[in-house]
Amino acid sequence: EDQVTQSPEALRLQEGESSSLNCSYTVSGLRGLFWYRQDPGKGPEFLFTLYSAGEEKEKERLKATLTKKESFLHITAPKPEDSATYLCAVQGTSGTYKYIFGTGTRLKVLA
Amino acid sequence: EAGVTQFPSHSVIEKGQTVTLRCDPISGHDNLYWYRRVMGKEIKFLLHFVKESKQDESGMPNNRFLAERTGGTYSTLKVQPAELEDSGVYFCASSLGLSTQYFGPGTRLTVL
Repeated sequence: EDQVTQSPEALRLQEGESSSLNCSYTVSGLRGLFWYRQDPGKGPEFLFTLYSAGEEKEKERLKATLTKKESFLHITAPKPEDSATYLCAVQGTSGTYKYIFGTGTRLKVLA
Repeated sequence: EAGVTQFPSHSVIEKGQTVTLRCDPISGHDNLYWYRRVMGKEIKFLLHFVKESKQDESGMPNNRFLAERTGGTYSTLKVQPAELEDSGVYFCASSLGLSTQYFGPGTRLTVL
């Protein structure tokens, strides 16, 4: 069964303190892995799509990487405005285009 | 460019009543998806439309849920009759191809 596990569940960082969020996945065949940011009361906001192991994508203070079993979202020198829930989702190759989501990592960056 | 919009943003109904949620996808997106998150759980897939056709409805929980997408534009999700366990946030997403999906703000449904 396709599954996504995110860790940690919650993370508190001081402003400027870099860290990484983990997304471990089990899927019969990976079509794509997706990172989203979600603010309270809003919908998931797209950040990155990764398709194959070794791929990396960057946007401002965020960098996403992908291996055959997991993805990392690295946050460099975070600011308070980076506080949000970060969601990981995978899309398999089993004939359906649905996303399988993890439960997310709640990030709080303190000034 | 306007994003995915959903209406209403919040709905509170009594058990046994009917509720209809609406989703307007990004203009030109043929693919439309419905997802749901119940309290404390991950977001889960409900169904996928390609234009007006149901491509995958494997996530629909039971026959109290009816989704339509007439004319291949906006979509509605009707819950009839609503039960307590239907409470949650319902998200709609759309995509141009079959990869990256763009999500709406969600409809929070509370069944009392």
